[in-house]
Amino acid sequence: SAVISQKPSRDICQRGTSLTIQCQVDSQVTMMFWYRQQPGQSLTLIATANQGSEATYESGFVIDKFPISRPNLTFSTLTVSNMSPEDSSIYLCSVGTVLSYEQYFGPGTRLTVT
Amino acid sequence: DQQVKQNSPSLSVQEGRISILNCDYTNSMFDYFLWYKKYPAEGPTFLISISSIKDKNEDGRFTVFLNKSAKHLSLHIVPSQPGDSAVYFCAASALDGYALNFGKGTSLLVTP
Repeated sequence: SAVISQKPSRDICQRGTSLTIQCQVDSQVTMMFWYRQQPGQSLTLIATANQGSEATYESGFVIDKFPISRPNLTFSTLTVSNMSPEDSSIYLCSVGTVLSYEQYFGPGTRLTVT
Repeated sequence: DQQVKQNSPSLSVQEGRISILNCDYTNSMFDYFLWYKKYPAEGPTFLISISSIKDKNEDGRFTVFLNKSAKHLSLHIVPSQPGDSAVYFCAASALDGYALNFGKGTSLLVTP
């Protein structure tokens, strides 16, 4: 399986600011996803990052709040904009292929908003 | 609404015994099910999966059972080892997309 890294691993941010999280994969992958895990909750899909086109967002998530870039087949970024304490979560990227349902996850970014 | 439910937040098992983790789902469109293991400060690691056309899949010490009529699946770990102590997530996917729907997880503690 691919090796996935995320930067930063954790951050503490002030309300109203924005944070960009990077996801780097050591091989080209077709599909990249961004998930959020709020405290005590399950992982929730934010969006599918599509290479060369706009991301596909799940219900309840919008591009203005969570803009995503996917400039190539090995890299993606998720920005959490205009943060509030409710955005305090672990943000995870994952990768998959069109041939399989299995997804492989990065280590996550733990975000705390004060 | 939570379409994948893991009703036991935690489970404690003695080393060498069987660990059984349970998962229920509500969406009849789900046709592929996965289990992930997560250690603190790490991302979830894929463990084992099962397609809806099967009722059992085995990989070493790990076996997943699927009961479609009951919309229930379980993960059996035999024998349990202290290194199995982690949070286990059940996830499900439907044919029409690749989104994974996760349960809230069960924290397994295997004691020596």
